[in-house]
Amino acid sequence: EVQLVESGGGLVQPGGSLRLSCAASGFTFSSYEMNWVRQAPGKGLEWVSYISSSGSTIYYADSVKGRFTISRDNAKNSLYLQMNSLRAEDTAVYYCARDLVIAAAGDYWGQGTLVTVSS
Amino acid sequence: EIVMTQSPATLSVSPGERATLSCRASQSVSSNLAWYQQKPGQAPRLLIYGASTRATGIPARFSGSGSGTEFTLTISSLQSEDFAVYYCQQYNNWPPRTFGQGTKLEIK
Repeated sequence: EVQLVESGGGLVQPGGSLRLSCAASGFTFSSYEMNWVRQAPGKGLEWVSYISSSGSTIYYADSVKGRFTISRDNAKNSLYLQMNSLRAEDTAVYYCARDLVIAAAGDYWGQGTLVTVSS
Repeated sequence: EIVMTQSPATLSVSPGERATLSCRASQSVSSNLAWYQQKPGQAPRLLIYGASTRATGIPARFSGSGSGTEFTLTISSLQSEDFAVYYCQQYNNWPPRTFGQGTKLEIK
């Protein structure tokens, strides 16, 4: 069974940092492209970042570029999101999502981890 | 950036009836469009990709159509578990991947 489990969320002050993790199981993690998608409270979905299966290709949304860093450790079946210089508008539930092999759409999602940026 | 616009924002339909949800792209996305369902407190669930291909395990009452800039998600006979928020997402021209703002499907 495919499972994605996020962790690392919490309350952080503006300007602070947080590192999210996503533990993958039930599939060959190293073969799949992965993404982070977020959802502010009561709002819609916003794509945040993408990483290729090898980690060689990375993309970010403009809203987080220069502040967030996506990475993966295929030996540990884990995906990460390092978030620096956090702002109130980064408050959201952060989901990790696995891409389909044949399309850039998320076929499996974690349950999400809540990040709250507030003083 | 491609802007995705969904309509209506809220759709009220009775169980057993058909629901038709629309998604429009600001420029052509070919058939590179996905639909997701999200229930309160849950992660999104992939329903459709490639505009019309059902994802694994998705019931046949869900169907997608369209190409270019106009897309439709149809639920042929609404079940109680179908009342949720639905999002479209384009992946033709990215980054960024962009989502519509969502359509809330509620019980009439």
